This record gives sequence, C-alpha cells and structure tokens, in this order.
Amino acid sequence: ETGVTQTPRHLVMGMTNKKSLKCEQHLGHNAMYWYKQSAKKPLELMFVYNFKEQTENNSVPSRFSPECPNSSHLFLHLHTLQPEDSALYLCATKNSDTDTQYFGPGTRLTVL
Amino acid sequence: AQSVAQPEDQVNVAEGNPLTVKCTYSVSGNPYLFWYVQYPNRGLQFLLKYITGDNLVKGSYGFEAEFNKSQTSFHLKKPSALVSDSALYFCAVRDMNNNAGNMLTFGGGTRLMVKP
Repeated sequence: ETGVTQTPRHLVMGMTNKKSLKCEQHLGHNAMYWYKQSAKKPLELMFVYNFKEQTENNSVPSRFSPECPNSSHLFLHLHTLQPEDSALYLCATKNSDTDTQYFGPGTRLTVL
Repeated sequence: AQSVAQPEDQVNVAEGNPLTVKCTYSVSGNPYLFWYVQYPNRGLQFLLKYITGDNLVKGSYGFEAEFNKSQTSFHLKKPSALVSDSALYFCAVRDMNNNAGNMLTFGGGTRLMVKP
C-alpha cells in the first residue's frame, strides 16, 4: 500500500460514454499527477497539479479533462474517447520535501 | 531537456546470479535519479533514488544502484536474484536545475525475468 488509491480498477466504456477516474491520497502530498501507460510505450505524463493548481498539461487531447477539487482528490473526466486511449492510467503524488513520487495501482481502461 | 534510456527491453537471469538493469540519462544540470518497479496489475513502486552524496545507493529488497557521472549512468544491481524479482523496472530522471520542477522523465522500462 502506497497511500494512493484509484477507482475503479477496471473500466470498459464505449466511445460515446462519459466516465471519470478517481484518485485519492492520504499522504498529505502537495503535487498530484496523471500518467498514461500503454503497451510498448514509455510512461506518458498527462497532467500535473501543484497545490490544487494545474501546472502542466502535456499536450493532452481535450477529451481528457482533469479536476483537482482539494489536495486529497484528483479526477480524470473522460468523454468521446478513442480505442487508442485504452491503457493503464496511473495517479501519483509527491511531497516536495522528498522529491519521490508514490503511485496508485492504476485504472485499466478499455475503450470499445 | 531531460531524457533517460533503458537499452534493454528484457533481461534474463538465473535465480541466485547477480543482475544488472542498465540506465543512462541526459540532463543539462545535475540529476535526480530514481528506480521504480512494477509488478503485474500494480502501479509503480519506489525502489531507490540518488539525490546527492554517496554514488552507491541502497534501496528496497536488496537492490542498489551506482551513480556514474562520467558515464551518465545509474545501473540497478542486485547480488543474488530471486524469482520474485521478476517485474518491469523503470529508471527516471529529473534535472535539479529545471524549473519545470515537478516532472520526472521515465525510461521505457526493462522486463526482468528471473528463472529458477
């Protein structure tokens, strides 16, 4: 257990659906991240939030919309996704004191 | 810009033998370097990091890594591999002088297979 939880663990959705991924941390960290992990590709940073403010959007398509309502929760809202968006979506948190990121278990997303 | 390379997609080693997983990096300033491990259907778990100080860093599960500035490398090692070490290993780097600050760059990962 890393103190970072993600729900759901698995999600199957159609291209016209709207769904949300949730990340919750109990570590008191001030930075939160969304990563995409696809087969045969390096880990891709999507978004970074620092003290609830978005500080990085790594050229992510607008069909992915992040939300950070408080320091413990991070959401990734999904709509009109494509089959190539199927991947493992990982949330991570970091405390600036240690510079170490802690990852959740991920949500395995399949877009049909 | 910061980048990291893991030249081997897969490393095979027999149980009880020493293992090495290679990583090289490129930064404009001084690096922060990390190793993470990922078991099936899990997120990445932190193994160890180099920030400053002793070039040999010891981490979890008996792993260690050596920072070599002249070769810009940070290879992961373990003296005696276990079957349970079989997993996907990621090297990551952050440029200390980079004001983008919170971003790590990850390598493509190396799959370690330890056979009995």
